[in-house]
Amino acid sequence: QKEVEQNSGPLSVPEGAIASLNCTYSDRGSQSFFWYRQYSGKSPELIMFIYSNGDKEDGRFTAQLNKASQYVSLLIRDSQPSDSATYLCAVTGAGSYQLTFGKGTKLSVIP
Amino acid sequence: EAGVTQFPSHSVIEKGQTVTLRCDPISGHDNLYWYRRVMGKEIKFLLHFVKESKQDESGMPNNRFLAERTGGTYSTLKVQPAELEDSGVYFCASSQDLRFSGANVLTFGAGSRLTVL
Repeated sequence: QKEVEQNSGPLSVPEGAIASLNCTYSDRGSQSFFWYRQYSGKSPELIMFIYSNGDKEDGRFTAQLNKASQYVSLLIRDSQPSDSATYLCAVTGAGSYQLTFGKGTKLSVIP
Repeated sequence: EAGVTQFPSHSVIEKGQTVTLRCDPISGHDNLYWYRRVMGKEIKFLLHFVKESKQDESGMPNNRFLAERTGGTYSTLKVQPAELEDSGVYFCASSQDLRFSGANVLTFGAGSRLTVL
């Protein structure tokens, strides 16, 4: 059974610090990797996706993928209180439309 | 551009009753998905429509759940009869054809919270 594991948190970081969110996955055939942010009671919102090994940067966000270690992470630089939310890691396999989600990590940015 | 719209936002019903959830995807999105999050668990896939056709319904829990997408526009998810374990948040999402987006980027609705008493 395909699994995606995340530390549930809460992860607390001070404002302005770097928040590091981690995710591991069990299916070596996984091909695309997504980070969603979800505020309480709201819809999951895509932050970024990555499918090649290495880093992908978008503003304050950097996704890192290591397929050999089956590990994907999200770094948030200069964390703001508005970044406080649950961050969901999701993966899909080759040719698959299904997203397999982790349970999410709750991030709290302390002013 | 309007997002994915779901209705109702919250439904409270008794065990054995029927509930119908509705999803309006983003206009032009052929792919429509239903996902569910049960309390304490991860969001899980239920099924996938391409236009009006069911592409993958491997995640549907049992035959008490019926999803339709008549005309390839909005979709409904009916639970009949509802059981206690059906409580959770039901998310709908939509996406463009992969040929245009390159990756299956889903846009989610805010969800319909179902409480079965």
